[in-house]
Amino acid sequence: EVQLVQSGAEVKKPGESLKISCKASGYSFTTYWIGWVRQMPGKGLEWMGIIYPSDSDTKYSPSFQGHVTISADKSISTAYLQWSSLKASDTAMYYCARRADNSDYFDPWGQGTLVTVSS
Amino acid sequence: SYVLTQPPSVSVAPGKTARITCGGNNIGSKSVHWYQQKPGQAPVLVIYYDNDRPSGIPERFSGSNSGNTATLTISRVEAGDEADYYCQVWDSSIDHSFGGGTKLTVL
Repeated sequence: EVQLVQSGAEVKKPGESLKISCKASGYSFTTYWIGWVRQMPGKGLEWMGIIYPSDSDTKYSPSFQGHVTISADKSISTAYLQWSSLKASDTAMYYCARRADNSDYFDPWGQGTLVTVSS
Repeated sequence: SYVLTQPPSVSVAPGKTARITCGGNNIGSKSVHWYQQKPGQAPVLVIYYDNDRPSGIPERFSGSNSGNTATLTISRVEAGDEADYYCQVWDSSIDHSFGGGTKLTVL
């Protein structure tokens, strides 16, 4: 069974750094893209960026470029989303999702990681 | 950026047909995918490439795409279909883009 299991909820203060994870299982991690999607409280889905773990080719939405870093560790089939300095406006649910190399839809999705940034 | 416009809400009685639209400039030239998100859950793919259904998705779910509008159609609506629905496209110039979402209410 293909699964993406994300790390647990985080509560951070403004200015702190954070790295959340998305562990893949049930398929070849290096032959699919992993994307990250933000959902702010009560709002819709926003595509943040995507990485191809085989060669770490990474693309960012212009809205998120420079604000987050996406990475992957092939040896443990895990993708990451990280911030160097969190803001209160980063409070949201973050989802990872798999995308086939020759397709442009996301399936399946991780269960989500809730990030709360508050002083 | 490529803007996808969805109605904020659609209401339908049980057993009837719900149609959720996704508007975009010449969207008919792109592939459209649809996701269902129930409260407190992650999104689930329900339609891909305009009108293909993943395994496990009921035949009641179908899609179409032409001109400036893509449509997700849910036939014989059930209470369990109540959820938020999002359309999504990919384009080489904008990469991935999601619509704003439509809340489907089953009356």
